[in-house]
Amino acid sequence: DAGVTQSPTHLIKTRGQQVTLRCSPKSGHDTVSWYQQALGQGPQFIFQYYEEEERQRGNFPDRFSGHQFPNYSSELNVNALLLGDSALYLCASSFQGTGGNYGYTFGSGTRLTVV
Amino acid sequence: QKEVEQDPGPLSVPEGAIVSLNCTYSNSAFQYFMWYRQYSRKGPELLMYTYSSGNKEDGRFTAQVDKSSKYISLFIRDSQPSDSATYLCAMSGRRGSTLGRLYFGRGTQLTVWP
Repeated sequence: DAGVTQSPTHLIKTRGQQVTLRCSPKSGHDTVSWYQQALGQGPQFIFQYYEEEERQRGNFPDRFSGHQFPNYSSELNVNALLLGDSALYLCASSFQGTGGNYGYTFGSGTRLTVV
Repeated sequence: QKEVEQDPGPLSVPEGAIVSLNCTYSNSAFQYFMWYRQYSRKGPELLMYTYSSGNKEDGRFTAQVDKSSKYISLFIRDSQPSDSATYLCAMSGRRGSTLGRLYFGRGTQLTVWP
């Protein structure tokens, strides 16, 4: 049973460029959340997608956007990249149940370096 | 003030030692408390999950939650070199902005030397 898969594993971009990261959730999961983890810090919540809609968003600018597809996979897009966007981007999948999300599982992440 | 505070360490102990890790938090809406282990350049993996106050034990790991003090702990008994990793505490709740999202501490880097 495949867990959460993310692609690519590593990426180098130039300031001002745009990037798209991809995530396939664990089988049976219908919700995808994205987190940004800067070096030496804990993951910070970017947003969450369920039923192809953004359900909740953290304190990130509009340069960060996302999408969820009918097969529950998801993309994270970042426009106008800044040096400060360099981080490990983590995708987590879960399923909706009574009272909240369950089975929260993280992928191995995409390491983005902005130069 | 961050919602979840965690001492980043680093913490270095000999093999076989008892390790104590802890976090404090400020949001009383948190009801679910988790500990994740993260190896270098990998995603976090869930170690322990606790709902509300109390203790939970799983093998060499014990998680404690004291909601009255807004304080959670993870104890590792008989620590092994393979336990060397970063340990992250995380929390969530059942209402408002705490529902469905995790709030993390910054992680404590642990090294267990043989």
